Amino acid sequence: AQSVAQPEDQVNVAEGNPLTVKCTYSVSGNPYLFWYVQYPNRGLQFLLKYITGDNLVKGSYGFEAEFNKSQTSFHLKKPSALVSDSALYFCAVRPRSGSARQLTFGSGTQLTVLP
Amino acid sequence: EAGVTQFPSHSVIEKGQTVTLRCDPISGHDNLYWYRRVMGKEIKFLLHFVKESKQDESGMPNNRFLAERTGGTYSTLKVQPAELEDSGVYFCASSQDRWEQYFGPGTRLTVT
Repeated sequence: AQSVAQPEDQVNVAEGNPLTVKCTYSVSGNPYLFWYVQYPNRGLQFLLKYITGDNLVKGSYGFEAEFNKSQTSFHLKKPSALVSDSALYFCAVRPRSGSARQLTFGSGTQLTVLP
Repeated sequence: EAGVTQFPSHSVIEKGQTVTLRCDPISGHDNLYWYRRVMGKEIKFLLHFVKESKQDESGMPNNRFLAERTGGTYSTLKVQPAELEDSGVYFCASSQDRWEQYFGPGTRLTVT
């Protein structure tokens, strides 16, 4: 069975500081990896994905994530946080093999950027 | 381009009643997914349609849940009869390719 862990329910960071939202996964083989963000009263918005190639993936709104195969991690990062980045962030995986296309999500991390 | 829409945004029903949630995917998207997030936990997959056919319904919790997708367009998810543990946020997503799923705003279901 596959699973995704987001070990921090809440992350607080000061505006202008770098931020990291952690994600580790347990999936057989090399999965596809995704980050989504949910703003209040909005649906999940796609941020970025890792399919293959460069381990550092760049996405929307200045976010990036680094795929680390040995540590089975896919941490989300941003060099300089904005107050508007405050939202709920979800990491998700999908198996590379097989016909299943559904995403397996972590429990989410609430990011609060303090002015 | 209109996004994925869901109706209602919020539903409050009593235990034992029936509720029907609706999802309108992005026009032209063959793939439609239902997920739910219960009590602030992880978002869990319920089922996947390709056009009007159920591709994968392995995530459906029990036979109180019935999903349909009429003519491969909009989809409904009926819960009958609703139980307290069904409370949560139900998300719908659609996609045309293998990668990016576009999510709706969700329906918050409260069963009292």
